[in-house]
Amino acid sequence: RKEVEQDPGPFNVPEGATVAFNCTYSNSASQSFFWYRQDCRKEPKLLMSVYSSGNEDGRFTAQLNRASQYISLLIRDSKLSDSATYLCVVNDPPGGTSYGKLTFGQGTILTVHP
Amino acid sequence: EAGVAQSPRYKIIEKRQSVAFWCNPISGHATLYWYQQILGQGPKLLIQFQNNGVVDDSQLPKDRFSAERLKGVDSTLKIQPAKLEDSAVYLCASRQQGRETQYFGPGTRLLVL
Repeated sequence: RKEVEQDPGPFNVPEGATVAFNCTYSNSASQSFFWYRQDCRKEPKLLMSVYSSGNEDGRFTAQLNRASQYISLLIRDSKLSDSATYLCVVNDPPGGTSYGKLTFGQGTILTVHP
Repeated sequence: EAGVAQSPRYKIIEKRQSVAFWCNPISGHATLYWYQQILGQGPKLLIQFQNNGVVDDSQLPKDRFSAERLKGVDSTLKIQPAKLEDSAVYLCASRQQGRETQYFGPGTRLLVL
């Protein structure tokens, strides 16, 4: 089983649509979770952290279900500029020598069309 | 604040040749990472430095890859000899002590022919 697994898509949605991405992780001891965004031929950039209580940043909502080891990202009212690859990322549990090691999913490609 | 700098941005070499990449992290960031990102995949950690010491190099193919961060600031990653499957983007990232966010450089795009 992959450490971090995502549906690679691609997702093709019209402007204004709501789209949801899912991700599962294998290490139940992991404690930090993130969504990164990567534009074509660019470096990954942090989109948002994911907290147990869920968190929202404008049109973006991230959720974490520790029992199911499942992370989600919801994008409402999609814009053309949201077209990118969305990477689900898990941080190693604190205390180990590799604290700060990020494990990335393969990414989910989103294309928003007019 | 200046971001993570990497050079070169692009490199084309033939298999069995050698290549080196350079990274200068954000000033004051003690932790530095090298990732390999193959087309269609997420970045995979190759090596992690804390200052000038190696924290994790478990996924570094040590028969051909080497990395150093001698003065605890900038770092080089070398491949010798290169194979076709090394074609990828090599990303450098840095992180401030006590913070979780990693900041990535623009990457070096390597093509091995």
